[in-house]
Amino acid sequence: DTEVTQTPKHLVMGMTNKKSLKCEQHMGHRAMYWYKQKAKKPPELMFVYSYEKLSINESVPSRFSPECPNSSLLNLHLHALQPEDSALYLCASSQGVGSKTEAFFGQGTRLTVV
Amino acid sequence: QQQVKQSPQSLIVQKGGISIINCAYENTAFDYFPWYQQFPGKGPALLIAIRPDVSEKKEGRFTISFNKSAKQFSLHIMDSQPGDSATYFCAAIRANFGNEKLTFGTGTRLTIIP
Repeated sequence: DTEVTQTPKHLVMGMTNKKSLKCEQHMGHRAMYWYKQKAKKPPELMFVYSYEKLSINESVPSRFSPECPNSSLLNLHLHALQPEDSALYLCASSQGVGSKTEAFFGQGTRLTVV
Repeated sequence: QQQVKQSPQSLIVQKGGISIINCAYENTAFDYFPWYQQFPGKGPALLIAIRPDVSEKKEGRFTISFNKSAKQFSLHIMDSQPGDSATYFCAAIRANFGNEKLTFGTGTRLTIIP
């Protein structure tokens, strides 16, 4: 199974809402990533987890809060988002940080902030 | 600052023709160059990758050409098919790092017409 599964596929939330994005992989990968992708742009790295510990935070606003409950799961908690946060949020996993082997991406969650 | 420059932004090719996408980089610390293919509503998927000690790598209809002295690399899609219509991103990874330091190009939207 080489899938990274993300839920939900679509999410509409108000600026005062709290919601969470979920990501799951069962490939035994030890590195998991959150990316943000705006239309017609490349993905931008937000967070990297290595062995369930946050290893990279690319200066992401605190209204985005990542969580890695175990080696297979990655969550992104959202609170008080702005309309400009509307984007495709992608989860990815790879064997580990420092590894150039293939990173597998999920299908993403299309987030709209109203 | 765009560390990996990609052109063209969009490309239309006749079915059966050759699609060519070009990328250039400045940072000589990059030592791994993957290409990603992204269909609408999907996450990016690794297509093919090359290291700078190789001048060309071919996998089926997809070929990467690499010019280390010019710091340029390109993707050639032979016998282009409508199913190849997607957005393509070149990328680069720095030596001693893995996917956590993946730098994407700006993307090329490829359309194959019958």
